[in-house]
Amino acid sequence: GENVEQHPSTLSVQEGDSAVIKCTYSDSASNYFPWYKQELGKRPQLIIDIRSNVGEKKDQRIAVTLNKTAKHFSLHITETQPEDSAVYFCAAFSGYSTLTFGKGTMLLVSP
Amino acid sequence: DAGVIQSPRHEVTEMGQEVTLRCKPISGHDYLFWYRQTMMRGLELLIYFNNNVPIDDSGMPEDRFSAKMPNASFSTLKIQPSEPRDSAVYFCASLLEPTVSGANVLTFGAGSRLTVL
Repeated sequence: GENVEQHPSTLSVQEGDSAVIKCTYSDSASNYFPWYKQELGKRPQLIIDIRSNVGEKKDQRIAVTLNKTAKHFSLHITETQPEDSAVYFCAAFSGYSTLTFGKGTMLLVSP
Repeated sequence: DAGVIQSPRHEVTEMGQEVTLRCKPISGHDYLFWYRQTMMRGLELLIYFNNNVPIDDSGMPEDRFSAKMPNASFSTLKIQPSEPRDSAVYFCASLLEPTVSGANVLTFGAGSRLTVL
């Protein structure tokens, strides 16, 4: 089955810095890659996603890049703010039974 | 839409007791998923349904766990008997069958935090 590896497990940055979270996947059939943000005590919420026919997608301060050949995708957050502090999950999606989440990255943004 | 609705939000029970978690998916969504989240194992898919039919329950940890979806607007996850290692947050999520150009947006409920003493 699909295996999604996510790094780093924790990431501490200063406010205003950029943050990058990386994920790799194993199933070359995966074609959809969502990113979820989970604040403490709350549900995961979709923040951005990318399909396999696109290499990069941007939404204000967040962007996602995808390298299908290398089977990895990354989340980029620029000009980080304290409210960006949360756990971020990547996922790879090749069919509903194989939606697989990474272990998560705890991002801490210090003022 | 009120989103995916789960109940109870918190449940504290003693080992051996039966636990029933409930979920109401977003109206019109034809896929429903049950996930379990712990610090150690992250987000685990337990089971999912399509049009009320269980499709893949390979993630259900053992026979103590069962899930049903009697109609399009309601699902339950039952643990009987419960054990301390079942303590976790259980999320329900729903999804609309995507079109070729649609987005696969999996929407989570607020979760049910289960503590088994």
